[in-house]
Amino acid sequence: SQQGEEDPQALSIQEGENATMNCSYKTSINNLQWYRQNSGRGLVHLILIRSNEREKHSGRLRVTLDTSKKSSSLLITASRAADTASYFCASQGGSEKLVFGKGTKLTVNP
Amino acid sequence: DAGVIQSPRHEVTEMGQEVTLRCKPISGHNSLFWYRQTMMRGLELLIYFNNNVPIDDSGMPEDRFSAKMPNASFSTLKIQPSEPRDSAVYFCASAVAGFGDEQYFGPGTRLTVT
Repeated sequence: SQQGEEDPQALSIQEGENATMNCSYKTSINNLQWYRQNSGRGLVHLILIRSNEREKHSGRLRVTLDTSKKSSSLLITASRAADTASYFCASQGGSEKLVFGKGTKLTVNP
Repeated sequence: DAGVIQSPRHEVTEMGQEVTLRCKPISGHNSLFWYRQTMMRGLELLIYFNNNVPIDDSGMPEDRFSAKMPNASFSTLKIQPSEPRDSAVYFCASAVAGFGDEQYFGPGTRLTVT
């Protein structure tokens, strides 16, 4: 199984602080994706990073990928209350299906 | 585009009844996925269609579950007979092409089997 595992399971921060979430996976991958899920909603794609990339930015999001350690991190800078959600990493290797982790529940307190 | 559309949004049924969940993917997307989300098991892929053809159904729990995609704009997931352990949120997602692309999720169907 190459299921991603997010760390921590839950994170509570104050508005304006940065939030860092980590993800580990088990086998080699083609790409790794991060998704956000607001309570009671479907998942929303945030960013995709390919195995030959080390870092990617999108607005206040920064994703890094270390294939030697089989890990990725998602950094949200200057967090807002609206960033409160669960964040999932999903790894994909070869022709294998996208495998989601259990998620990190982020709470940003105003 | 309206995004991925799922119906119903909520379904409450009694054990033994047939349940049919519906999905309309985003126009132009060639891949469609059905997922199930529970607190215990997280998000699990049930089945993946590409160009209306089932490619990977290894996640379908048992014969009680079946999925069809009669055309590019419609898919169904059927559970017959339903059991309480099928209670979960079922998501449909679509992508332009396969697992390597970002997936667009529908709002989900919350199924409760009593």
